[in-house]
Amino acid sequence: DAGVIQSPRHEVTEMGQEVTLRCKPISGHNSLFWYRQTMMRGLELLIYFNNNVPIDDSGMPEDRFSAKMPNASFSTLKIQPSEPRDSAVYFCASSLRQGAQETQYFGPGTRLLVL
Amino acid sequence: SQQGEEDPQALSIQEGENATMNCSYKTSINNLQWYRQNSGRGLVHLILIRSNEREKHSGRLRVTLDTSKKSSSLLITASRAADTASYFCATDQAGTALIFGKGTTLSVSS
Repeated sequence: DAGVIQSPRHEVTEMGQEVTLRCKPISGHNSLFWYRQTMMRGLELLIYFNNNVPIDDSGMPEDRFSAKMPNASFSTLKIQPSEPRDSAVYFCASSLRQGAQETQYFGPGTRLLVL
Repeated sequence: SQQGEEDPQALSIQEGENATMNCSYKTSINNLQWYRQNSGRGLVHLILIRSNEREKHSGRLRVTLDTSKKSSSLLITASRAADTASYFCATDQAGTALIFGKGTTLSVSS
């Protein structure tokens, strides 16, 4: 299996621009997670989906952030408009949720820099 | 919010020495997991210990769990330069997603 695939790997954009991050989870996994990692705040869960349905989006910073999962093999995280404080590494992870045990598999991340 | 807190925040040792990292958490859990993150990469799962287990081994890794103290430790024996990474604990409560701590940064020098 190719693992979790994220694109792009690096993104540099200017403040006010729209940014779209993409994720392809591992085939057969039924849960997908978006995280943001910064030195100051560590690893933060933004939102997660179970069977393509958003379950908890309480970590989404504000209305500028939105996430979709139109099917089991694709998800997007969109920031519009982007701001310098959004600069971070964004990770997507997927898991096969079975009962109380869940191991998450992380993608390589998208390093976002907003100027 | 973050439930797990790793200690120490940073640890520097020589190759061949053992490295011990600790994790404390706040509420009851189903299980606790440890992940490793190499610089510039995503997190990788290392080991999972259930709430009814006290100790678990995987190769050079040894994990203990004390639910009465709400704490866990990760021991890496005979460390190698390749063990240089950040290590995170993550707790799993019923009905919620995993909650990760801020991590311990381990540096192993040769």
